[in-house]
Amino acid sequence: EAQLVQSGSEVKKPGESLMISCKGSGYSFTSNWIVWVRQMPGKGLEWMGMVYPGDSEIRYTYSPSLEGQVTISADKSINTAYLRWSSLKASDTGIYYCARGVRVGWFDPWGQGTLVTVSS
Amino acid sequence: QSALTQPASVSGSPGQSITISCTGTSSDIGYHDYVSWYQQHPGKAPKFLIYDVTNRPSGVSDRFSGSKSGNTAALTISGLQAEDEADYYCSSYTSSSTYVFGTGTKVTVL
Repeated sequence: EAQLVQSGSEVKKPGESLMISCKGSGYSFTSNWIVWVRQMPGKGLEWMGMVYPGDSEIRYTYSPSLEGQVTISADKSINTAYLRWSSLKASDTGIYYCARGVRVGWFDPWGQGTLVTVSS
Repeated sequence: QSALTQPASVSGSPGQSITISCTGTSSDIGYHDYVSWYQQHPGKAPKFLIYDVTNRPSGVSDRFSGSKSGNTAALTISGLQAEDEADYYCSSYTSSSTYVFGTGTKVTVL
């Protein structure tokens, strides 16, 4: 059974850097996209971007509104995808989910979510 | 890319049917048949309900059904049950090879 397990909650100060992770198991990690979705407090889901680990080449796609604000990456050797911020802002506070894109169009399963709190 | 438009809330009594609309544009919902739906209970991760507009994955109740007409997709929940009380989100693949979610709908079972 496919499963995604995310890293634990984080509390950071504005300006700090952060990388959260999403480890896949139970399926071929290199044959599926991993998408990142954010949910700000009390708000809806927002698609951030995705990474295709691939056997030969890693591919990335970002939401136009978020490109440059975060970096998505993957390490095929340990079946793990990452979401990285170089300088956090208070507005980055929220829950971040990863999910598997089995093929074009849908996401399943989802990770349990990582709560990121940015506060001075 | 603007979020797809969903009603903020929909309610119904147990046993009734409700429909949640999801309106986009010719660059997303109207461009592909790659519309999916997700259910999210409070404090939980989203759960996959519908893919390719009308298809249910195994394990999802047949009380959930999807449809699409032009730039608007819809999710219908028939035989409403207390456990259906949750937030629901649509999603669409876009002509730019990205994705967009809907604004979300809170379903209340009266």
